[in-house]
Amino acid sequence: AQSVSQHNHHVILSEAASLELGCNYSYGGTVNLFWYVQYPGQHLQLLLKYFSGDPLVKGIKGFEAEFIKSKFSFNLRKPSVQWSDTAEYFCAVNSISSNTGKLIFGQGTTLQVKP
Amino acid sequence: EPEVTQTPSHQVTQMGQEVILRCVPISNHLYFYWYRQILGQKVEFLVSFYNNEISEKSEIFDDQFSVERPDGSNFTLKIRSTKLEDSAMYFCASRRPSSNEKLFFGSGTQLSVL
Repeated sequence: AQSVSQHNHHVILSEAASLELGCNYSYGGTVNLFWYVQYPGQHLQLLLKYFSGDPLVKGIKGFEAEFIKSKFSFNLRKPSVQWSDTAEYFCAVNSISSNTGKLIFGQGTTLQVKP
Repeated sequence: EPEVTQTPSHQVTQMGQEVILRCVPISNHLYFYWYRQILGQKVEFLVSFYNNEISEKSEIFDDQFSVERPDGSNFTLKIRSTKLEDSAMYFCASRRPSSNEKLFFGSGTQLSVL
């Protein structure tokens, strides 16, 4: 069965600290990979996505993620977090062969950045 | 950027009542979805809808649930007889036809079943 696992449920960092959020997926075929962010009181927004090509993808607001196929991982990173990065972060996958394009989400990681 | 809009933002209902959650997807999108997130849990897929029919549904989407696109712009989720465990944030999403396109999500409807 398809599944996505995010290792950290709640992360607390000080401003300027570096961030890495883990994401592993379990799926037999080829997948597209996504990171979504949900700021307090707002809707889910796409941070970045990986479909093919360079496994290191850059997204908005200084975020990047690296796809490591051998480890079935797609970890999210940011060198220096800001207070405004406080949000919930979701890793998600869908199958490239899916007719529906449905996303399977991880359980989410709450990031709290202290000023 | 275009937005998916959902109404109401918060719905309170009594157990056993019917509720309809409304969504207006982005106008040129063809795939529509409902997801839900129970407090403290992951975002779960409920159903996808394309070409005026359900294209895929999860085990959660039982006979109590139905979806409809009644007028070409709205996309609704109906829960016939709500249960306490239906309390969750319900997200609508839509995307363009290509499978590589991202999903655009609405802000969600917080459903509270008392």
